[in-house]
Amino acid sequence: GESVGLHLPTLSVQEGDNSIINCAYSNSASDYFIWYKQESGKGPQFIIDIRSNMDKRQGQRVTVLLNKTVKHLSLQIAATQPGDSAVYFCAENRKGSTLGRLYFGRGTQLTVWP
Amino acid sequence: DSGVTQTPKHLITATGQRVTLRCSPRSGDLSVYWYQQSLDQGLQFLIQYYNGEERAKGNILERFSAQQFPDLHSELNLSSLELGDSALYFCASSVGTGDEKLFFGSGTQLSVL
Repeated sequence: GESVGLHLPTLSVQEGDNSIINCAYSNSASDYFIWYKQESGKGPQFIIDIRSNMDKRQGQRVTVLLNKTVKHLSLQIAATQPGDSAVYFCAENRKGSTLGRLYFGRGTQLTVWP
Repeated sequence: DSGVTQTPKHLITATGQRVTLRCSPRSGDLSVYWYQQSLDQGLQFLIQYYNGEERAKGNILERFSAQQFPDLHSELNLSSLELGDSALYFCASSVGTGDEKLFFGSGTQLSVL
């Protein structure tokens, strides 16, 4: 069925390294994608978004890449810091869906160790 | 701080009871969304309101209901509570109903004993 999924449930990186979190989606009608970060005990926090007419978008230390051919989304975090430890969700906006716009993946737990 | 306020932060109740969760959206946002987050189901969309009217409905049980008031705050009512209803309930808001990011509150942790 249609889904938003993540390749890896956990990711451990050393402080200062770059992190890459991947996400696959199967709905070709999705045209807007968002990455959220959720720290323990908090709500999801917006990180960066990208529309389907773009392949890449950069923010502060983060880059999102969109490959529509293979329906793949990734979040790159440069110089990962301990404060980046959290669960990261990708979400896709399914235009015209009657079941709510944003579908969230299951999440990837990023752990940064010194 | 996202600007979305949810109360209470924690709620402990017994099976069969009814509770009300409250959400105040960011200033200027007309849409309010409710999500349920559990360990085994992830973030599940429940319902969306836009400017007081129901806009979209997700996997919301018949025992659950919501409304958005004229001042745009929203309440999620959960009744005949079961153990399986224990979860984090998040409210989110956005300006409209188009392709835009949602801003989430810090959630209400509901524990049904």
